[in-house]
Amino acid sequence: NAGVTQTPKFQVLKTGQSMTLQCAQDMNHEYMSWYRQDPGMGLRLIHYSVGAGITDQGEVPNGYNVSRSTTEDFPLRLLSAAPSQTSVYFCASSYTSIHPYGYTFGSGTRLTVV
Amino acid sequence: GENVGLHLPTLSVQEGDNSIINCAYSNSASDYFIWYKQESGKGPQFIIDIRSNMDKRQGQRVTVLLNKTVKHLSLQIAATQPGDSAVYFCAENIRGNMLTFGGGTRLMVKP
Repeated sequence: NAGVTQTPKFQVLKTGQSMTLQCAQDMNHEYMSWYRQDPGMGLRLIHYSVGAGITDQGEVPNGYNVSRSTTEDFPLRLLSAAPSQTSVYFCASSYTSIHPYGYTFGSGTRLTVV
Repeated sequence: GENVGLHLPTLSVQEGDNSIINCAYSNSASDYFIWYKQESGKGPQFIIDIRSNMDKRQGQRVTVLLNKTVKHLSLQIAATQPGDSAVYFCAENIRGNMLTFGGGTRLMVKP
């Protein structure tokens, strides 16, 4: 089992560029989510999905899009990167939105927007 | 990813001592709480959870205490080891599909 796999691990973008952060899980988890982690602010929820074909906004969705065409994959798209999106991004999954053992997190993508 | 680091409260303890990490949560309606550990360069890792109908739960070397009256959560680590050095986050379930995370506390274990 690979768990939750995020790619790339590091990325530098220029302002205005677009890109997709990939997230894949092989645990047949229904629930997947994206968080960003900024200094001193913990993790903030961007978007989440309770199953294939279903997505919803979290706390800080602006500037990001998601889709969930399969159970395994939950990509996060930055449409036009801004310096304010410089952060570390984590993908997480679980059997349900609240699983007794919490979420399984990926190892993160460090994004710098210049 | 690397830790948030710069502005985190820090708890420094001697190896072998007990550690207590505190967390104030925001919503009295929260019904589920989790503690996570995040080591440098890694994603958060589940440590222990507790439901709002409990006030204490114990795991291996860890205990979580919940005080709903003052909306306070604590994580106690017994016989702290160098491998416990990390950033610790509490998270609360406010709505069915979301966890809200606290800002984190850095634990440093001195040998």
